[in-house]
Amino acid sequence: KNEVEQSPQNLTAQEGEFITINCSYSVGISALHWLQQHPGGGIVSLFMLSSGKKKHGRLIATINIQEKHSSLHITASHPRDSAVYICAVGGNTDKLIFGTGTRLQVFP
Amino acid sequence: NAGVMQNPRHLVRRRGQEARLRCSPMKGHSHVYWYRQLPEEGLKFMVYLQKENIIDESGMPKERFSAEFPKEGPSILRIQQVVRGDSAAYFCASSDPIRAFFGQGTRLTVV
Repeated sequence: KNEVEQSPQNLTAQEGEFITINCSYSVGISALHWLQQHPGGGIVSLFMLSSGKKKHGRLIATINIQEKHSSLHITASHPRDSAVYICAVGGNTDKLIFGTGTRLQVFP
Repeated sequence: NAGVMQNPRHLVRRRGQEARLRCSPMKGHSHVYWYRQLPEEGLKFMVYLQKENIIDESGMPKERFSAEFPKEGPSILRIQQVVRGDSAAYFCASSDPIRAFFGQGTRLTVV
């Protein structure tokens, strides 16, 4: 069993839909990251969370430390949100352990 | 602040050649992590370096791979005698208390 599990693996949505991607982990962590990777592109850090909830624009990330679970939500999804979303656990000076990613496609 | 800089972006090597991948971390960061992303797989940790020190190399293959981060200049990930299975995207990253920063990656293709 992977230390970081993401679901779903693939997700398609119509423009405007509310999207949720889930991440569960089995190791003790000091922080959890949500990353975005576009095809052929680099990796962008969206959030780093150690507790509670963070919001940036249409993106919201939550974490429940007791349940070892995090969710990434995208409100009013748009085709430009199409990318692979990766959950990773680690801390400020810790190496990251990655989930296998969720491939999101948003159609107009 | 130019962010984490990696070069080259794309690298093609024939089997048996050496590949050198370079990474300069964020200004003010003295540490780097190297990660590898094999085709259709997730990212995996390779090595964690601080200036002139290897802190954790538990993810490095035992042979042909080495990494350094000299006092001056970029961090170098070196792969000797490359094989087709080394074809992957190699990412360099550093972090601060707020977020992680990744380079654009080097896509190595071994032909």
